[in-house]
Amino acid sequence: GESVGLHLPTLSVQEGDNSIINCAYSNSASDYFIWYKQESGKGPQFIIDIRSNMDKRQGQRVTVLLNKTVKHLSLQIAATQPGDSAVYFCAERTNDYKLSFGAGTTVTVRA
Amino acid sequence: SAVISQKPSRDICQRGTSLTIQCQVDSQVTMMFWYRQQPGQSLTLIATANQGSEATYESGFVIDKFPISRPNLTFSTLTVSNMSPEDSSIYLCSASGGEFFEQYFGPGTRLTVT
Repeated sequence: GESVGLHLPTLSVQEGDNSIINCAYSNSASDYFIWYKQESGKGPQFIIDIRSNMDKRQGQRVTVLLNKTVKHLSLQIAATQPGDSAVYFCAERTNDYKLSFGAGTTVTVRA
Repeated sequence: SAVISQKPSRDICQRGTSLTIQCQVDSQVTMMFWYRQQPGQSLTLIATANQGSEATYESGFVIDKFPISRPNLTFSTLTVSNMSPEDSSIYLCSASGGEFFEQYFGPGTRLTVT
């Protein structure tokens, strides 16, 4: 079956720099995408979402970009802080409102 | 956004026994789901908990092993039956509602089977 994947399993970033986390998806029928942040010992936390009729959406310090032509999704975090250290998952919504998750990218922020 | 709680937060169980995990949402939601997350891995959907009817299971998961209840729009339970060490995992409840059916997660239940 089709699934969501991530380009890199780990990302190390200097505090204050911008982070970019990438995600490739393969289901062209997916209509909705979500980025989650999961800190150690906690459940996934909703960060930001984007519908397939958009190509960019901004939140507080985060921006999600969607390129449907190449089936690519990215999460940009501005001015990365130590509290941003976590595992980040992208997820695509397929039929029946179910989510399919990528493998996850571990972000480590260096002081 | 919905606030979701789970009980227990963690447990250590003996093989052959069963554990029921409870999931409570602070508001009525359209859909509820159960996921499994093995250590260091991504999330895998177990089933969709349907209010008033039998749950819909994903490939590889069966009702006899993971019976699910959803008696109303704010509550669901997942039972892990006849446990083996391979069932050691984090079990997560999620709820979906709102205009775009955003999906939010509970804190998870960390299960260890010895």
